[in-house]
Amino acid sequence: EVQLVESGGGLVQPGRSLRLSCAASGFTFDGYAMHWVRQVPGKGLEWVSGISWNSGSIGYADSVKGRFTISRDNAKNSLYLQMNSLRAEDTALYYCVKDIASTDFYYMNVWGIGTTVTVSS
Amino acid sequence: DIVMTQSPATLSVSPGERGTLSCRASQSVSTNLAWYQQKPGQAPRLLIYGASTRATGIPARFSGSGSGTEFTLTISSLQSEDFAVYYCQQYNNWPPLTFGGGTKVEIK
Repeated sequence: EVQLVESGGGLVQPGRSLRLSCAASGFTFDGYAMHWVRQVPGKGLEWVSGISWNSGSIGYADSVKGRFTISRDNAKNSLYLQMNSLRAEDTALYYCVKDIASTDFYYMNVWGIGTTVTVSS
Repeated sequence: DIVMTQSPATLSVSPGERGTLSCRASQSVSTNLAWYQQKPGQAPRLLIYGASTRATGIPARFSGSGSGTEFTLTISSLQSEDFAVYYCQQYNNWPPLTFGGGTKVEIK
């Protein structure tokens, strides 16, 4: 069964850091680009960041550029999101998502259940 | 960045009726457009890619059309399990990948 399981969310104070992880199983992880997509409860979807299969292509939303860093460890079938200088507006459910392609960013055919990040003092 | 605009925000439809959802791009995305369905408490699910190709396991009552800047998702005969929020997403120009704001399909 293809599965993505996120972890690492929680309550954090503004300005602090948090690292999200995503464990992938059931597919050839190093064959696909991966993404983080977030959703404020009751609101729409926002693409946060994406990374190609070999980390050669990385992209960020302007809202997180310079604060968040995406990475992956293909040997561990894992995706990460290092979030620094967190702000209240980063509060959301963060999904780990699989792309259908390896090198470029297309559309997403597998989603995790998400991990919640709350930024509040 | 390409801005995706969905309309209407809410669509009220009776079961068995047709539902038509629209998605407009601020510039041409060719047919590089996907549709997702999200039910309460669940992650989104891929419905359509390439503007008109149904994803694996998606019923034939879902159809997509359009190219360039105007796209439509049609649900030919709404079933109870189809009441959800629908999002479009462009993948023609990135970063960033961009989603529309969503259309909620509710029971009339």
